[in-house]
Amino acid sequence: DQQVKQNSPSLSVQEGRISILNCDYTNSMFDYFLWYKKYPAEGPTFLISISSIKDKNEDGRFTVFLNKSAKHLSLHIVPSQPGDSAVYFCAASADGQNFVFGPGTRLSVLP
Amino acid sequence: DAGVIQSPRHEVTEMGQEVTLRCKPISGHDYLFWYRQTMMRGLELLIYFNNNVPIDDSGMPEDRFSAKMPNASFSTLKIQPSEPRDSAVYFCASSPGQGLGSGANVLTFGAGSRLTVL
Repeated sequence: DQQVKQNSPSLSVQEGRISILNCDYTNSMFDYFLWYKKYPAEGPTFLISISSIKDKNEDGRFTVFLNKSAKHLSLHIVPSQPGDSAVYFCAASADGQNFVFGPGTRLSVLP
Repeated sequence: DAGVIQSPRHEVTEMGQEVTLRCKPISGHDYLFWYRQTMMRGLELLIYFNNNVPIDDSGMPEDRFSAKMPNASFSTLKIQPSEPRDSAVYFCASSPGQGLGSGANVLTFGAGSRLTVL
């Protein structure tokens, strides 16, 4: 039973446009959320975080939105760049320590 | 800091052999995590340690898997005997134990060890 779901295995976006990656979770105890980016043959690298006391967190081109009542979060990348092409993982935790990861979404940004 | 260091990067072995994966966490990080990535199950947590003590090993698939952390700078994940279904990328990650402003304890991952069991 997947507690963290990323229902789109892949997404293609034109360079310069907005990329929106979605994540849904089932455990209402989750209060901490992270997004990671992963290039081939490398480990995941941290992008941005949000906790349930906020509904939005922004860092440069990356913004994460949290809708706790819907158990849904999304990552917006704008403008998208070819270097953003990677697999993106959503992760959630109830205690801020032990994170459950989603299956990932492969983003392709086309020049 | 060199980050989280894992070895070997690639391991090919035959079914029934013992496999040992190694991890050096970032100095000063109190938490160490072992994850496994497969196509079917994505990134799944196997075990994590706090101050060298195993906290949660409920993700360890079966008794063939064991993990140790003899000191703050070294951990091993051992599979004995290995089976073809153990083929995956194994990631080690560490975290400082003190949250960000968001309260989250951000994990830093190593580059992974790709295991192939024939």
